Amino acid sequence: KQEVTQIPAALSVPEGENLVLNCSFTDSAIYNLQWFRQDPGKGLTSLLLIQSSQREQTSGRLNASLDKSSGRSTLYIAASQPGDSATYLCAVGPNQAGTALIFGKGTTLSVSS
Amino acid sequence: GAVVSQHPSWVICKSGTSVKIECRSLDFQATTMFWYRQFPKQSLMLMATSNEGSKATYEQGVEKDKFLINHASLTLSTLTVTSAHPEDSSFYICSARPSGGLRTDTQYFGPGTRLTVL
Repeated sequence: KQEVTQIPAALSVPEGENLVLNCSFTDSAIYNLQWFRQDPGKGLTSLLLIQSSQREQTSGRLNASLDKSSGRSTLYIAASQPGDSATYLCAVGPNQAGTALIFGKGTTLSVSS
Repeated sequence: GAVVSQHPSWVICKSGTSVKIECRSLDFQATTMFWYRQFPKQSLMLMATSNEGSKATYEQGVEKDKFLINHASLTLSTLTVTSAHPEDSSFYICSARPSGGLRTDTQYFGPGTRLTVL
């Protein structure tokens, strides 16, 4: 059974810092991996989607990497801003059929000004 | 494009009543929709997979008679929490997988519904 773990559970940094969020999964046979942002009491915003054949994806100040063989992904946030404060969720797509995603518990990020 | 809506966004009800939550894909058709539940400080957990025109598939531990799912059209799935109790209070999020046109190997999420049972 696939399990997704995110470390750390919470992170507080001053504005301007570069930071890394970690995600690990137990079964390397995945189709894709996705990073989401969730603001308190809100739904999910998709940030980056990495296919299993890809090593990384970039969008603005965000960069996500994937090492499928080791079961790891990282989300790198450059020059963090207070507006980046949210919970970041990692989710694994197990197959091409588009079955349900398997989520980690998330990392709650707080960026202070 | 690829917008999914949920209604209501929040609901408060008395214990023992039933609550219906709607999930709609606004600009695409979705043969498959998923219902997730998220308790505070916890991950999203899949409750059931809803397929248009057929019975939903429930995850282990989810009572199908308590959480009724109807996927009557390619753009609408409903989740009815029957005889709700305080322990059913949670954040319910749906997602929809496009039937075509858009990427069919991904899914788009609704904004969620906060259910509070008194």
